[in-house]
Amino acid sequence: DAGVIQSPRHEVTEMGQEVTLRCKPISGHDYLFWYRQTMMRGLELLIYFNNNVPIDDSGMPEDRFSAKMPNASFSTLKIQPSEPRDSAVYFCASFKGRTYEQYFGPGTRLTVT
Amino acid sequence: DQQVKQNSPSLSVQEGRISILNCDYTNSMFDYFLWYKKYPAEGPTFLISISSIKDKNEDGRFTVFLNKSAKHLSLHIVPSQPGDSAVYFCAASAKSGGSNYKLTFGKGTLLTVNP
Repeated sequence: DAGVIQSPRHEVTEMGQEVTLRCKPISGHDYLFWYRQTMMRGLELLIYFNNNVPIDDSGMPEDRFSAKMPNASFSTLKIQPSEPRDSAVYFCASFKGRTYEQYFGPGTRLTVT
Repeated sequence: DQQVKQNSPSLSVQEGRISILNCDYTNSMFDYFLWYKKYPAEGPTFLISISSIKDKNEDGRFTVFLNKSAKHLSLHIVPSQPGDSAVYFCAASAKSGGSNYKLTFGKGTLLTVNP
């Protein structure tokens, strides 16, 4: 299995631009999570989906952030407009329900200048 | 409010010796705990877990101990190897709260195993 795939691996953008991060979960996994890692806050959950439906988005920092999962094999996290404080590593993770062992992608390092 | 705390940002040990990584939690609803390992430029990978009905779980060189009364868990690596050098994250979940699969992570401990 190819594991969780994220793209791009690195993104550098200017403040005010729209940023879209992409994730392909492991086939057969019915849960998908988006995390953000920063030095100050560590690894924090932004939102998670079950069977393509958002279950908990309480970690989404503000309305500039949105996430979608149009089908079982694809999800996006969008930031519009982006700000320098959004600079972080964003991870996507997936797993099959009834276990807690989430499988993480390699992450997208976002830099907003 | 940090519900999962890893108070040691870093730990250095000699190859062959024991590594002990510690984690404290404050939420009494947490009943399932996991350890993840992370290498640079990679995502975290699952290492070992423990349910609150147990106080110990072992998998090869890795053992996790849970002390519920102290709200403390620890990961023991014996013997430590240079390839174990990575950031280790402790995570917790309130599993019994319905289908709640949210994980709360600590900030991690950087383990360096010296040859």
